[in-house]
Amino acid sequence: GQQLNQSPQSMFIQEGEDVSMNCTSSSIFNTWLWYKQEPGEGPVLLIALYKAGELTSNGRLTAQFGITRKDSFLNISASIPSDVGIYFCAGQPLSNTGNQFYFGTGTSLTVIP
Amino acid sequence: DAGVTQSPTHLIKTRGQQVTLRCSPKSGHDTVSWYQQALGQGPQFIFQYYEEEERQRGNFPDRFSGHQFPNYSSELNVNALLLGDSALYLCASSLDIGPSLSNEQFFGPGTRLTVL
Repeated sequence: GQQLNQSPQSMFIQEGEDVSMNCTSSSIFNTWLWYKQEPGEGPVLLIALYKAGELTSNGRLTAQFGITRKDSFLNISASIPSDVGIYFCAGQPLSNTGNQFYFGTGTSLTVIP
Repeated sequence: DAGVTQSPTHLIKTRGQQVTLRCSPKSGHDTVSWYQQALGQGPQFIFQYYEEEERQRGNFPDRFSGHQFPNYSSELNVNALLLGDSALYLCASSLDIGPSLSNEQFFGPGTRLTVL
């Protein structure tokens, strides 16, 4: 199946700092989604991207669809304690005829007050 | 407007048993996908149901089967449970917007399955 490499694997940051994480694929994707998952819960959709080069914001979160269509980036500005969780990228390959998404391995974020 | 709901929340089974998990999609959605999430991993696609048929399947054995009902709700069945089937099983719903087009998937809270 498709491989999505997500980095970094984990981050420990001070409250107020900015965060950046990224996801790369081995093939071209036509959709990128970013999710946040907290312990014992399902992933919650943060941002959806549909076009190469697209830059979309959701509050303090900003995500970009890479122009090569093989990567995506998520930035969180001025982090706060409630940003703690695991962030997953998910992508749908261009060749996909259904609606299957492949997920990255996640970035675990810890915010130190 | 209810989101995606799943039942039960937790389940404990023994090896060799069979299990059925249930999912109700978000209002207005017609497509249900099932994922398995092992501890410390990202969700892995099991299969997707649309118009009461399995449309796409991931790399999972035939022990994993499903069903979609006319009201778009869905069930995931796993037969002959193995210890390795212990995981969080997630259901995601979406609205089909056309061939080769994608739409956001919204997840339920999951069912935690433990196989002893």
